[in-house]
Amino acid sequence: AQKITQTQPGMFVQEKEAVTLDCTYDTSDPSYGLFWYKQPSSGEMIFLIYQGSYDQQNATEGRYSLNFQKARKSANLVISASQLGDSAMYFCVAGKSTFGDGTTLTVKP
Amino acid sequence: DAGITQSPRHKVTETGTPVTLRCHQTENHRYMYWYRQDPGHGLRLIHYSYGVKDTDKGEVSDGYSVSRSKTEDFLLTLESATSSQTSVYFCAISNSLAGAEETQYFGPGTRLLVL
Repeated sequence: AQKITQTQPGMFVQEKEAVTLDCTYDTSDPSYGLFWYKQPSSGEMIFLIYQGSYDQQNATEGRYSLNFQKARKSANLVISASQLGDSAMYFCVAGKSTFGDGTTLTVKP
Repeated sequence: DAGITQSPRHKVTETGTPVTLRCHQTENHRYMYWYRQDPGHGLRLIHYSYGVKDTDKGEVSDGYSVSRSKTEDFLLTLESATSSQTSVYFCAISNSLAGAEETQYFGPGTRLLVL
């Protein structure tokens, strides 16, 4: 069984600053994928970034990067230069469809 | 954006009635999934399919059944709806169960209210 823990129910960040959303995972699978999704208030689920457990480099996609520390079982999402449109709920997901409970990010102008 | 539609988008029904939700994809992805999302929580897997007529249970499958008679369609049925099944239901698709192609793409969701 897999488990995802997102310890920050809510986060605030000032526009144009960077923010880190925490995610720790627990899995016994030798190979796994880690994903982050964004859910704005409109409700759709938007894929942001993927990290494979055997990838040597941290994944990056534009302003999103994943700080992957395999030994600590953490996969934190870093958003650089926050924008007002980044205000949303963010979910960390382990392969096999295990979702965390999410972090609500609010970007202040 | 992946071509995934869900119907209906909103439904109100009464306890004890059967309800069927439809997910339709135009991407020819092998894997399809049904999730439910309850307020303040992440998604929980109900059932998934790994091919036509091949399905398996997820974490919260009790009270739900699924069918997949064509690659593009995945149906979720509540045989006898209960108030605890009031939720937002999401369909998702993926090309694989491993690697980057395990990335799931989601439909717009269906809001179901069981009175």
